[in-house]
Amino acid sequence: GEDVEQSLFLSVREGDSSVINCTYTDSSSTYLYWYKQEPGAGLQLLTYIFSNMDMKQDQRLTVLLNKKDKHLSLRIADTQTGDSAIYFCAALGTTSGTYKYIFGTGTRLKVLA
Amino acid sequence: DVKVTQSSRYLVKRTGEKVFLECVQDMDHENMFWYRQDPGLGLRLIYFSYDVKMKEKGDIPEGYSVSREKKERFSLILESASTNQTSMYLCASSPGVEAFFGQGTRLTVV
Repeated sequence: GEDVEQSLFLSVREGDSSVINCTYTDSSSTYLYWYKQEPGAGLQLLTYIFSNMDMKQDQRLTVLLNKKDKHLSLRIADTQTGDSAIYFCAALGTTSGTYKYIFGTGTRLKVLA
Repeated sequence: DVKVTQSSRYLVKRTGEKVFLECVQDMDHENMFWYRQDPGLGLRLIYFSYDVKMKEKGDIPEGYSVSREKKERFSLILESASTNQTSMYLCASSPGVEAFFGQGTRLTVV
């Protein structure tokens, strides 16, 4: 079945760039997403990219998509302590005409002051 | 702003109890989802619904059922709660491309 994989932890220093990586298996995924979850909260959509794009930039966030390798990354420039959270990669896939979101395990980003 | 509201932030229930988790969205979205979140496992899809009275099993439906009698409300039911259903439950709704999540319900079964 469809699968989305991420590393579990990432630690960076404040002011550095963070890069969170994700791989997915469903080549028919039309949209790929990055969500952020702060402690005790639900998931907040950060950004998403359509599968025919290879890059999307939104302020400090840059999403890169390598469709051939089924690899998605999220780069956060000038990482701040407020960026500490769990980041989930997700892919939108279709099954029997209906669609569903497949999530990765989440990457816990820790920003060191 | 889209609002997805889950009825409880925290719940403690006893083994064998029937448990209802409620989710309401205010944006007339067709699609609604229930996930459970466990450390190291990410979000796993339990059930989803793409219309009133329609439901589809996700990846881990065993021990759960759902109800969607009205478009804005999607309920997750644990027929007989067990300790391995202790988890964070997240509801989401979507009009299509974007999914919007509720705050989550942390359920503990003792």
